[in-house]
Amino acid sequence: TQLLEQSPQFLSIQEGENLTVYCNSSSVFSSLQWYRQEPGEGPVLLVTVVTGGEVKKLKRLTFQFGDARKDSSLHITAAQPGDTGLYLCAGDDSSNTGKLIFGQGTTLQVKP
Amino acid sequence: GAGVSQSPSNKVTEKGKDVELRCDPISGHTALYWYRQRLGQGLEFLIYFQGNSAPDKSGLPSDRFSAERTGESVSTLTIQRTQQEDSAVYLCASSLDSNYGYTFGSGTRLTVV
Repeated sequence: TQLLEQSPQFLSIQEGENLTVYCNSSSVFSSLQWYRQEPGEGPVLLVTVVTGGEVKKLKRLTFQFGDARKDSSLHITAAQPGDTGLYLCAGDDSSNTGKLIFGQGTTLQVKP
Repeated sequence: GAGVSQSPSNKVTEKGKDVELRCDPISGHTALYWYRQRLGQGLEFLIYFQGNSAPDKSGLPSDRFSAERTGESVSTLTIQRTQQEDSAVYLCASSLDSNYGYTFGSGTRLTVV
């Protein structure tokens, strides 16, 4: 069974601080996605990484896919209150159906 | 439509009643997925449609759960004889095909009392 473990589960920081969220597995994924979810809404896709070692930047967010394609990280620089939300990593399972396996999520609170 | 639409947005039902949850995917998206999210948790896969067929129903928790999709468009998730443990947000997502990321609806929050 493929599993994705995220850490930390909860993070509460002050505006302007940096943070990193980790997503780890013992399984290899051909691609991995990061989503952000706000209360009462569905998750919104932030990025997809497909190549081992790949780094993608989205403004203050930096996403990295591990060389072995088993893990990923999300780094936020100078966090802002608008970054508050639930961050979810998701990897495609091996069935070639587009079905995603989700981590349990990291709840981020950025205080002004 | 412009996005994935789910209805109702909230549903409170009595234990033992049946409920139907509806999902309108983005027009032209052939892949449709249902997930369940318990409070503060990640997403639990329920079922996947490619067109009108469901090649993967492996996530349906019991035979009380069923889903169908018609016209390669609207999908309905039905829960019969609801139980309190069915309380959760039910999320629908569609995708252009299985190689693309998902667009999620806002979900249906189901509360069984």
